[in-house]
Amino acid sequence: GESVGLHLPTLSVQEGDNSIINCAYSNSASDYFIWYKQESGKGPQFIIDIRSNMDKRQGQRVTVLLNKTVKHLSLQIAATQPGDSAVYFCAEIKGGSEKLVFGKGTKLTVNP
Amino acid sequence: DAGITQSPRHKVTETGTPVTLRCHQTENHRYMYWYRQDPGHGLRLIHYSYGVKDTDKGEVSDGYSVSRSKTEDFLLTLESATSSQTSVYFCAIMRADETQYFGPGTRLLVL
Repeated sequence: GESVGLHLPTLSVQEGDNSIINCAYSNSASDYFIWYKQESGKGPQFIIDIRSNMDKRQGQRVTVLLNKTVKHLSLQIAATQPGDSAVYFCAEIKGGSEKLVFGKGTKLTVNP
Repeated sequence: DAGITQSPRHKVTETGTPVTLRCHQTENHRYMYWYRQDPGHGLRLIHYSYGVKDTDKGEVSDGYSVSRSKTEDFLLTLESATSSQTSVYFCAIMRADETQYFGPGTRLLVL
């Protein structure tokens, strides 16, 4: 089975609000995590990544937090916009492996 | 987009026919991957390649074969397509920093 999953399959937010998408992983040997965004009809698009030696990493309007104690990963999107509506996947790579393991995804809907 | 193209982008075929999907990259990356994406299953790895003529199986490899005769091309073949192989297929490459980038996908319908 998959070792990466998401707590909520759907998330609906108002435009301008902050969004938080969560992900749990079960393999403590995983040392690299990636968040992808997938819009309808398109391939997954890299958003941000984090390595296990970090707790937080920020990008443009996005922040990824990693809590290794509880094996939890989150993606925070600031000032969510309609263009952020998509399915978001977390993925992990186990140390020494070249294979990503994906969670099933969370669908984010941004309401105007 | 990491210079990844997939062809064809859409394909309709009949059960029992062979189908080959092509992934082409322009950046000379060593690792290439084939995934399928189905509702309720997310992205699942079919096969991957770590160099010319070097391939390995993923979690859902039954019914699929791959070939990589050139660095830039990674082919996925369904020897005898079945309706259960109706899916969206994505190719990906892995850059030196371990980040995977995906192609635009191929929608395959097996009737």
